[in-house]
Amino acid sequence: QQQVKQSPQSLIVQKGGISIINCAYENTAFDYFPWYQQFPGKGPALLIAIRPDVSEKKEGRFTISFNKSAKQFSLHIMDSQPGDSATYFCAASMGSGANNLFFGTGTRLTVIP
Amino acid sequence: DTEVTQTPKHLVMGMTNKKSLKCEQHMGHRAMYWYKQKAKKPPELMFVYSYEKLSINESVPSRFSPECPNSSLLNLHLHALQPEDSALYLCASSLSGTGDEKLFFGSGTQLSVL
Repeated sequence: QQQVKQSPQSLIVQKGGISIINCAYENTAFDYFPWYQQFPGKGPALLIAIRPDVSEKKEGRFTISFNKSAKQFSLHIMDSQPGDSATYFCAASMGSGANNLFFGTGTRLTVIP
Repeated sequence: DTEVTQTPKHLVMGMTNKKSLKCEQHMGHRAMYWYKQKAKKPPELMFVYSYEKLSINESVPSRFSPECPNSSLLNLHLHALQPEDSALYLCASSLSGTGDEKLFFGSGTQLSVL
């Protein structure tokens, strides 16, 4: 059973546009929600993360919006650039132990010039 | 130094070969991980070492054998692999191994089993 559901599977956005990737979860024990960015031939890298006590976190052009009641969170990439083209994984964890970190299925983002 | 270094970057092996993947970090992290990633899929956790002791084995077949010689090094010994084991093998590390820590991933070893 997929603990974290992610959509869309792929996304094409024009340069300068807003990219939005959505994730949903069921387990209310999750208390940490990171997003990882992965370029081809590289390992994932932590992009931004949020805890459920805040509804939004912004770092540069990247914003996480978190809706605790709906059990949903999303990544917004403002002013998307071709260099943002990568695969993005949302994830959720419930405290200690790496076996408690669950990844979404990934979204392949392509930003066209 | 915030890098996790993995060698080799690419590996092709036959089903009767024995090979090893190597991972190294010098960030003082005490938790190290092996993940397996198939194309267009998320990483799947295989093993976790915490303070040089194996703490998690996600029911991985015995043809994969991890080893943590010291706090900076992590190896994955491979023997009698199957073609379906072809994947990107990622090493990661974190400060002490809690679920809400930042994971630092290496670039991976792309393994092909013929």
